[in-house]
Amino acid sequence: GAVVSQHPSRVICKSGTSVKIECRSLDFQATTMFWYRQFPKQSLMLMATSNEGSKATYEQGVEKDKFLINHASLTLSTLTVTSAHPEDSSFYICSARPPRGGHDEQFFGPGTRLTVL
Amino acid sequence: GENVEQHPSTLSVQEGDSAVIKCTYSDSASNYFPWYKQELGKGPQLIIDIRSNVGEKKDQRIAVTLNKTAKHFSLHITETQPEDSAVYFCAASDQTGANNLFFGTGTRLTVIP
Repeated sequence: GAVVSQHPSRVICKSGTSVKIECRSLDFQATTMFWYRQFPKQSLMLMATSNEGSKATYEQGVEKDKFLINHASLTLSTLTVTSAHPEDSSFYICSARPPRGGHDEQFFGPGTRLTVL
Repeated sequence: GENVEQHPSTLSVQEGDSAVIKCTYSDSASNYFPWYKQELGKGPQLIIDIRSNVGEKKDQRIAVTLNKTAKHFSLHITETQPEDSAVYFCAASDQTGANNLFFGTGTRLTVIP
């Protein structure tokens, strides 16, 4: 149980285009999902927290107009990188919090590697 | 906010030996401390966690200890195997409404056959 998937696993795009990344909780409903960014050999940096049916909460320094997050259902959250630039190239990872157990568990997806040319 | 420090950044051990990774945290109100294993090109996988109402938790070859007074917790892997090679992250949960996780900087563990 507690499986989270991401799609696509890898994407290459041209500078100026937009890219959408999907995060799905496969066997549970997640009221809260998280989006992280990870640069090579670095730790995970929280970008935003999304709650189903409400606006995402962005961390300081993360541009909400550039990183659009939509949590349309209890099993799906999307991250859209708008007008991508090479500096947006990174490993993007989502996580989801299951409703059972504690209020702070998170299960992570496999990640999406974005390369902007 | 919470600040989590992790040491060492790299660790090499011989197969069969034990590995210990240590983390400290700053927020005394934090009460949830998970450990994640991340293999190259993959997302982090939860391997063990501990809450502040216990001092130690064990799951086969993996154990975690917590010292709330000193605000530090450690991951212990015994009888290491080559497949244990990965990057390990500790984390601590803050006590704001979202209960966000704050991650350490990671430890790259290499188990030498």
